Amino acid sequence: ETGVTQSPTHLIKTRGQQVTLRCSSQSGHNTVSWYQQALGQGPQFIFQYYREEENGRGNFPPRFSGLQFPNYSSELNVNALELDDSALYLCASSLKAMGKGSEKLFFGSGTQLSVL
Amino acid sequence: GENVEQHPSTLSVQEGDSAVIKCTYSDSASNYFPWYKQELGKRPQLIIDIRSNVGEKKDQRIAVTLNKTAKHFSLHITETQPEDSAVYFCAASRNNNDMRFGAGTRLTVKP
Repeated sequence: ETGVTQSPTHLIKTRGQQVTLRCSSQSGHNTVSWYQQALGQGPQFIFQYYREEENGRGNFPPRFSGLQFPNYSSELNVNALELDDSALYLCASSLKAMGKGSEKLFFGSGTQLSVL
Repeated sequence: GENVEQHPSTLSVQEGDSAVIKCTYSDSASNYFPWYKQELGKRPQLIIDIRSNVGEKKDQRIAVTLNKTAKHFSLHITETQPEDSAVYFCAASRNNNDMRFGAGTRLTVKP
């Protein structure tokens, strides 16, 4: 059983640029959630993807967007980067059963994004 | 949406003592309450969880209690060890579709 993997591990961008972060879900999982974790804070929910569609969104602007692929892997895209976007971006996978909520979240190690 | 508050933000205990971390939530429809442990530079890892149809759950030195009426839940760690030192996060969600986390508690266990 493979765990949740994220790439890249670290990334440095400048303000105004665009970034794409990638996540491979744990084997057997069909749902991916993305979180932003600022230094010293708890993870903040960005959105969740299930069956290649957005299935819930937190309080983040539209310049945060995502995709889920048929193999359940996912991308997080952030346009027009701002300095405050500097954070650890965590991906978590889970298994959502038909008609039920997702089970336990398993996190990847994250991508540390620095916006200069 | 759900709002989760966590206290204290830092907690220091002597090895062997107990540690208690408390969280409150706002959405009465929340039904799943996990706790995560995050060591420095590592990913959050699930240590215990509880569903709204249960009032208490225990796993060795770790226990979680839930009071649905008061909308609060707590993590209890007994016989603490230095390796318990980490940041602990509580979270709440409705069917795990939209999990919201507390701000975290930095636990330090002094040998």
